[in-house]
Amino acid sequence: EPEVTQTPSHQVTQMGQEVILRCVPISNHLYFYWYRQILGQKVEFLVSFYNNEISEKSEIFDDQFSVERPDGSNFTLKIRSTKLEDSAMYFCASSESREGYYNEQFFGPGTRLTVL
Amino acid sequence: RKEVEQDPGPFNVPEGATVAFNCTYSNSASQSFFWYRQDCRKEPKLLMSVYSSGNEDGRFTAQLNRASQYISLLIRDSKLSDSATYLCVVTLYGQNFVFGPGTRLSVLP
Repeated sequence: EPEVTQTPSHQVTQMGQEVILRCVPISNHLYFYWYRQILGQKVEFLVSFYNNEISEKSEIFDDQFSVERPDGSNFTLKIRSTKLEDSAMYFCASSESREGYYNEQFFGPGTRLTVL
Repeated sequence: RKEVEQDPGPFNVPEGATVAFNCTYSNSASQSFFWYRQDCRKEPKLLMSVYSSGNEDGRFTAQLNRASQYISLLIRDSKLSDSATYLCVVTLYGQNFVFGPGTRLSVLP
């Protein structure tokens, strides 16, 4: 069964450093997403991406964040200058469509980011 | 008012019990509804989509009440493996998913 994969599973970084989280969405999916979940809190939407551009972003997704699809398979989330409060689990997700049928999102296993 | 609300639980039930979770949402224009389950420190996994007419998948039944803006999930004959956090997810047409805080279920032997 096709699945979303993410690397690394755990990233430890110093405050102020840049990190890049990587995702490989399901191959026939066209819509890609990043979410985060701070420990003990709910899953929060960050950004959605379609046709090589951001289609929607939340208030959390400020200028420190960027996304990219550098090739035909990878989808990345970059945090330019990490803060302590960026420590969270980051989930990538993908879906076939955004409306009607087939808009279910499938999640990767997540990257646990720890900022020291 | 929060966009999606759920009773956080925990619900502690014995094996074989029937348990029901409710979820309320604030935006009456919401179009699509889902239940996901999340095991500790793992990713959300799709349990089922929720259709207007209600739908069933084995021991799981989902209902949608648009007039009252709530969604329910019924689990019959609970198994130990059903222990998880159940996440209610709501989305407007073509927009991002909004997750509820989740309801924790522990099924006890």
